Amino acid sequence: GAVVSQHPSWVICKSGTSVKIECRSLDFQATTMFWYRQFPKQSLMLMATSNEGSKATYEQGVEKDKFLINHASLTLSTLTVTSAHPEDSSFYICSANREYQETQYFGPGTRLLVL
Amino acid sequence: GIQVEQSPPDLILQEGANSTLRCNFSDSVNNLQWFHQNPWGQLINLFYIPSGTKQNGRLSATTVATERYSLLYISSSQTTDSGVYFCAVDQTGANNLFFGTGTRLTVIP
Repeated sequence: GAVVSQHPSWVICKSGTSVKIECRSLDFQATTMFWYRQFPKQSLMLMATSNEGSKATYEQGVEKDKFLINHASLTLSTLTVTSAHPEDSSFYICSANREYQETQYFGPGTRLLVL
Repeated sequence: GIQVEQSPPDLILQEGANSTLRCNFSDSVNNLQWFHQNPWGQLINLFYIPSGTKQNGRLSATTVATERYSLLYISSSQTTDSGVYFCAVDQTGANNLFFGTGTRLTVIP
C-alpha cells in the first residue's frame, strides 16, 4: 500500500497559460500533502504543505498567488501554476502522509516545460 | 536555517562493491529520512531513522543525533542501486522535510 499518483507526468505549455497538476493517494487517506520543486541536478525544495479542507501553508519565497494549491479531499491535492513562464519549468513532486505516520510517500513527479 | 550536507557528491562503484554515504546536519532534528531517487525521478523511501540503526536487506542506516550525522551503508551494490540518494530532515515536528544536497551513485557492471 501507500501509492501516490500524479497527473500529468509531462506537460508542455505556452508562456502565460495555467497548468494544473493533480496528486492522488490511491490506497490511503492523506491527512497532509506536500508539494516540492526540483530543478535539474539539484535537490528537492518544499514549496507548500496542504491539509484537507484548509488553506495551504507556503514556504518563504514561494508566491501563493502563482502556485495555487487546493486540497479538496483526503485523497486529492492540486497544484495550479498560473500564468506560467519559462523560469517555472521544473520537476514538480507531491508527497502524502498517512494519518499517524511520519513517513512521506512520493508521487512519480510532473515535468513542466514552459515555452 | 538548517544546513544538510551530503558526501560524497558523486560516487562511481563497480558492481559488488560496498559504500558509505554520509549526511551531516547543522541543528537538532525531529526526524530524518533517507530516499533513493531513481533515474526516472521517483523517490523511494529507504529509512525513517531519527536515531539508532536499521537494516533492510543490503541497506542499513545509522543516525547519531547527538553528533548530527547519519550514514547509509550499501553492500554488494547492484546496477539498480544507481540514482541519487537524499537524506531529509524535519525540525518542525510537522514533517516539513528539508532535503540534503544528495549523493549521485553510479554502479557499473
